[in-house]
Amino acid sequence: DQQVKQNSPSLSVQEGRISILNCDYTNSMFDYFLWYKKYPAEGPTFLISISSIKDKNEDGRFTVFLNKSAKHLSLHIVPSQPGDSAVYFCAGNSGTYKYIFGTGTRLKVLA
Amino acid sequence: GAGVSQSPSNKVTEKGKDVELRCDPISGHTALYWYRQSLGQGLEFLIYFQGNSAPDKSGLPSDRFSAERTGGSVSTLTIQRTQQEDSAVYLCASSPGLAGVFANTGELFFGEGSRLTVL
Repeated sequence: DQQVKQNSPSLSVQEGRISILNCDYTNSMFDYFLWYKKYPAEGPTFLISISSIKDKNEDGRFTVFLNKSAKHLSLHIVPSQPGDSAVYFCAGNSGTYKYIFGTGTRLKVLA
Repeated sequence: GAGVSQSPSNKVTEKGKDVELRCDPISGHTALYWYRQSLGQGLEFLIYFQGNSAPDKSGLPSDRFSAERTGGSVSTLTIQRTQQEDSAVYLCASSPGLAGVFANTGELFFGEGSRLTVL
């Protein structure tokens, strides 16, 4: 049972445009969501998070939106930069130790 | 160093051999996690430690897999009688606590991983 789904394995965006990465979840007990970025041969690094009591969290060029009724969250990157090219994972947490990750979306920002 | 350290970074072994993967978490982090990323797959939860105890080992794929943590610090993941399907990147992460607890962000700090190839 894939509790966190990232249905787009890859995405290409022109530099300067907006990148939108999507994530769907099935576990209604999740109350915390995180986005991680992973470069090749490196471990994932934390990018941004959102609590289920919010519907938006913004940090610089990165904004995460949460739609609890649709069990959907998205990460917006604007403007996109070539250095943003990486694999992005979303993860859900239900207030316990267990973080459930999606399969990732590979973003390629074209110069 | 200040980050999570994993060794070896790369390990090539023959089918049937045992391997040990080591993780040195960030000092003071009480929570330690092992994840696995197989080719084309997401991050698969293996096991979680709070201190030296592992409340949940349900993510371990088989009884060939075991892990321990000593002194609330270093952890070792052992895979016995390796199989080709064990080939993956094994990632260790640590965290100061649970999401929402003590107002921490719930962020996991990952190491660079140990790439295991079983021939």
